[in-house]
Amino acid sequence: DADVTQTPRNRITKTGKRIMLECSQTKGHDRMYWYRQDPGLGLRLIYYSFDVKDINKGEISDGYSVSRQAQAKFSLSLESAIPNQTALYFCATGGGNQPQHFGDGTRLSIL
Amino acid sequence: GENVEQHPSTLSVQEGDSAVIKCTYSDSASNYFPWYKQELGKGPQLIIDIRSNVGEKKDQRIAVTLNKTAKHFSLHITETQPEDSAVYFCAAKNSGGYQKVTFGIGTKLQVIP
Repeated sequence: DADVTQTPRNRITKTGKRIMLECSQTKGHDRMYWYRQDPGLGLRLIYYSFDVKDINKGEISDGYSVSRQAQAKFSLSLESAIPNQTALYFCATGGGNQPQHFGDGTRLSIL
Repeated sequence: GENVEQHPSTLSVQEGDSAVIKCTYSDSASNYFPWYKQELGKGPQLIIDIRSNVGEKKDQRIAVTLNKTAKHFSLHITETQPEDSAVYFCAAKNSGGYQKVTFGIGTKLQVIP
């Protein structure tokens, strides 16, 4: 089983819809992250969480919200999706002085 | 904040040749430099990392060098194989605050058989 699991893997939806992307991890890490990947822009941090009670905005948090339901679960929501949020989204765990472990991503298309 | 520049953005090499990807960083407080490989349809996976107290690290065909004075670090892949074809990301982590990790834009490596 994967250490970091993201669901769904692909999603197509319409402008204005609410969307939730889910992430779960079995590595027992306290730190979890949501990134967005766009061609030519690399990985940009949306939100991060150091534990269940600690949620922080990253560099591109506008239009997104997150929920840390448990140590193992960190979900990303788009309250009202817009086309420029079409991207590949990655969840990751770890960090600090250790490497991060990424899920296989969610490809999100907003029409 | 930290800025990580990575080049080239694309790189094609013949199988068996070497590939070099270079990154520069701006924050002298950065102290950890991982490299990730991303295959199609997968998330980035760590392939090698180096800390600021080390100048070079090697793992089989992969090596990373770090020049703290010049604030640049490089990934070297020798004897490239078709399975090395992927997107490679460098990253830099600073030592302050929440220890933010900043990624480069990625290099798409194609190894031609």
